[in-house]
Amino acid sequence: NAGVTQTPKFQVLKTGQSMTLQCAQDMNHEYMSWYRQDPGMGLRLIHYSVGAGITDQGEVPNGYNVSRSTTEDFPLRLLSAAPSQTSVYFCASSYQWTGVYNEQFFGPGTRLTVL
Amino acid sequence: AQKITQTQPGMFVQEKEAVTLDCTYDTSDPSYGLFWYKQPSSGEMIFLIYQGSYDQQNATEGRYSLNFQKARKSANLVISASQLGDSAMYFCAMREGSTGGFKTIFGAGTRLFVKA
Repeated sequence: NAGVTQTPKFQVLKTGQSMTLQCAQDMNHEYMSWYRQDPGMGLRLIHYSVGAGITDQGEVPNGYNVSRSTTEDFPLRLLSAAPSQTSVYFCASSYQWTGVYNEQFFGPGTRLTVL
Repeated sequence: AQKITQTQPGMFVQEKEAVTLDCTYDTSDPSYGLFWYKQPSSGEMIFLIYQGSYDQQNATEGRYSLNFQKARKSANLVISASQLGDSAMYFCAMREGSTGGFKTIFGAGTRLFVKA
């Protein structure tokens, strides 16, 4: 199993550009989520999904869109990049969305810089 | 409101000594889970240990143990016999039950430095 994969690993954008961060998992996990990590702020939840076709907002959803057309894939779209979106982005998945014991498996992260 | 608080931005410990990393949480959901993750300088997130709100005993995983004090809403991570490879960022996280929509939220983290 590859686990959770993310592409690209690094990306530089100009303000106003759009792009999609890719996330895929091969563990048949129901639950997938996107976090951003900024210095001194831990990981903040952007969007999450409890299954194909079902998504919801997290703590910091503005400026981002997601969709979940398959169980495996959960792309994150930046609509119009801003310097405030410079961050490290992590995708994570867990087996189920119900039940509090569900360890999250993380991807390697995408380091995004917006100029 | 901050739901996960890690008050120690940085900690130093001597190799082979034990260290406690603090974590307090806030929830009104009776069902929740508490997690600790390690993030080394390479950047990946590594799951360390889990404690459920209904668990009677403190969780242990090798050199890691979780000091769970439910009334105080604290879930401190104890690392015994520290090793140089334990130098990393450590995050406390909580997943609430149905009240919180089963979202997992993280604290700001504690950076641990292990001295030789």
